[in-house]
Amino acid sequence: EAGVVQSPRYKIIEKKQPVAFWCNPISGHNTLYWYRQNLGQGPELLIRYENEEAVDDSQLPKDRFSAERLKGVDSTLKIQPAELGDSAVYLCASSIDRNYGYTFGSGTRLTVV
Amino acid sequence: KNEVEQSPQNLTAQEGEFITINCSYSVGISALHWLQQHPGGGIVSLFMLSSGKKKHGRLIATINIQEKHSSLHITASHPRDSAVYICAVSYRDDKIIFGKGTRLHILP
Repeated sequence: EAGVVQSPRYKIIEKKQPVAFWCNPISGHNTLYWYRQNLGQGPELLIRYENEEAVDDSQLPKDRFSAERLKGVDSTLKIQPAELGDSAVYLCASSIDRNYGYTFGSGTRLTVV
Repeated sequence: KNEVEQSPQNLTAQEGEFITINCSYSVGISALHWLQQHPGGGIVSLFMLSSGKKKHGRLIATINIQEKHSSLHITASHPRDSAVYICAVSYRDDKIIFGKGTRLHILP
């Protein structure tokens, strides 16, 4: 069984440019999470989906960040325009049920220069 | 203040040593998770606990619900165990809070 797949693995962009990250969760996992992890910190939730519905986006900076999960499967996270402070690892995770834990993707390391 | 506190922040040990990483949390939880993150960012789930103790190979995780405390132990540590170990707690509303991680470096 494939794990949670994220792409790209690394991305370097200039500030003010747009960037998008893609996540393919494990088949059958209805819950999908996007996290941002700054250097030396634990991951922080950006948004949580139950199927195609965003049920918790309170931490998502909505002025520049957007996310979608149109068919309740794959998800994209977009930043437009990117700022220097957005440099971080963006992690996607999915779960079938809170009782069965979570599976994380390898993350996308974003560097904004 | 982070709801999840880990200690130590950094740990360097010699190969073969017994390693203990601690995690404390402040409110009742649904489950506690121990995660391993290698350089490059990918996170692997090691354990999910709601009570007692779990063992997988050289890794042992314990949780004391009354004391709101968990420990991750590594027996016969090896340089390949070098990684960041993250404690996370989850709640009934699916909210997850992560600790800042413990950076472990095992010297050969």
